[in-house]
Amino acid sequence: DIQMTQSPSSVSASVGDRVTITCRASQDIRTWLAWYQQKPGKAPKLLIYAASHLQSGVPSRFSGSGSGTDFTLTVSNLQPEDFATYYCQQADSFPRTFGQGTKVEIK
Amino acid sequence: QVQLQQWGAGLLKPSETLSLTCAVYGGSFSGYYWTWIRQTPGKGLEWIGEINRSGSTNYNPSLKSRVTMSVDASNNHFSLKLKSVTAADTAVYFCVRVPAVTARPCDYWGQGTLVTVSS
Repeated sequence: DIQMTQSPSSVSASVGDRVTITCRASQDIRTWLAWYQQKPGKAPKLLIYAASHLQSGVPSRFSGSGSGTDFTLTVSNLQPEDFATYYCQQADSFPRTFGQGTKVEIK
Repeated sequence: QVQLQQWGAGLLKPSETLSLTCAVYGGSFSGYYWTWIRQTPGKGLEWIGEINRSGSTNYNPSLKSRVTMSVDASNNHFSLKLKSVTAADTAVYFCVRVPAVTARPCDYWGQGTLVTVSS
């Protein structure tokens, strides 16, 4: 299985900050990577697919980059509704696997 | 607007069979992989497997011996069965739509069903 490792596991930030989350795959996954946001008691929500493509309806302050094994999710100008847990997921090979999550908390 | 609505028993005893169904509203049933994912505090998000409209499946090898997925394309439903459950199968289970496009993202999710396995 491909292991997905996110860092940091949690980050404290303030409204208006820029937050960057990294995701590293244990092998080359090309750009077959997605990012999700999850709030307590809710299903994950797709933010970014194919590493850098913004899902329809997602604010442009979210952006993704990377290819191969190293990826980043950046949230610019953090808003109150962005405090949540973020996950990366690879879809290059079976079984699909997820990172362990990064919790973005209010400083 | 696409909606996935799921249902099934929420409390099981060890050795019983977990059974969940997901109905798809507001979109095509073709051109997608219909997927089940579960989430636990300890293991995080775990991909269980997928099925397409024609019934072709891919399962997680860690669960393959206990998992069966099926599809009812005429009613836009798909289902998950997991046999011989144990406490380790206690989780929130999500049904998910995955377009058959580049990078195969999970674009729509059901509301989740908490399944608890306890004697």
